[in-house]
Amino acid sequence: GESVGLHLPTLSVQEGDNSIINCAYSNSASDYFIWYKQESGKGPQFIIDIRSNMDKRQGQRVTVLLNKTVKHLSLQIAATQPGDSAVYFCAENMGNSGYALNFGKGTSLLVTP
Amino acid sequence: EPEVTQTPSHQVTQMGQEVILRCVPISNHLYFYWYRQILGQKVEFLVSFYNNEISEKSEIFDDQFSVERPDGSNFTLKIRSTKLEDSAMYFCASRDSGIEEQYFGPGTRLTVT
Repeated sequence: GESVGLHLPTLSVQEGDNSIINCAYSNSASDYFIWYKQESGKGPQFIIDIRSNMDKRQGQRVTVLLNKTVKHLSLQIAATQPGDSAVYFCAENMGNSGYALNFGKGTSLLVTP
Repeated sequence: EPEVTQTPSHQVTQMGQEVILRCVPISNHLYFYWYRQILGQKVEFLVSFYNNEISEKSEIFDDQFSVERPDGSNFTLKIRSTKLEDSAMYFCASRDSGIEEQYFGPGTRLTVT
């Protein structure tokens, strides 16, 4: 069936560097995408979202890029900090009336001092 | 800031027993969700709930599962006869009308022995 997946299971970066986390999706009907951050022992925390009629959206230190041609989504974190260490999930709206989310497998981001 | 709360944080039960996981969504939200996350795996959608009825449910949400909003604040997930494979983190989420962002609770860790 349709799925959302991640290219890299783990990513290690040095504090201050920029981080890029990638995600591929296969459901061409998806019209809404979200990035969540999950710290150990906690629930997913919303970071940023983007609708399919956009290709870029910026937040505070984060940018989401959407390439619908190749069905690719990325999360860029500028000046990565130790507090950014977590697992990052991309998710897509499953296209149903309940707005259920289909999550990817997650990328573990480790920020080293 | 309003947040979704869940109780208990950890529930241990024997196989075959019934469990009820409780959630208090954000007070003005109208859409409610249950997701689960087996250790080391991605977050999976179980069920969405709106206007006192199920909107969508996944294949995981079989006859052993049920949801209820018994009063104006609580949203519960019941597993009638737990199986070993039901061991997972269960997350409740809610969202407001007209907004797609879902707010997640901290989760309940269910351990079935």
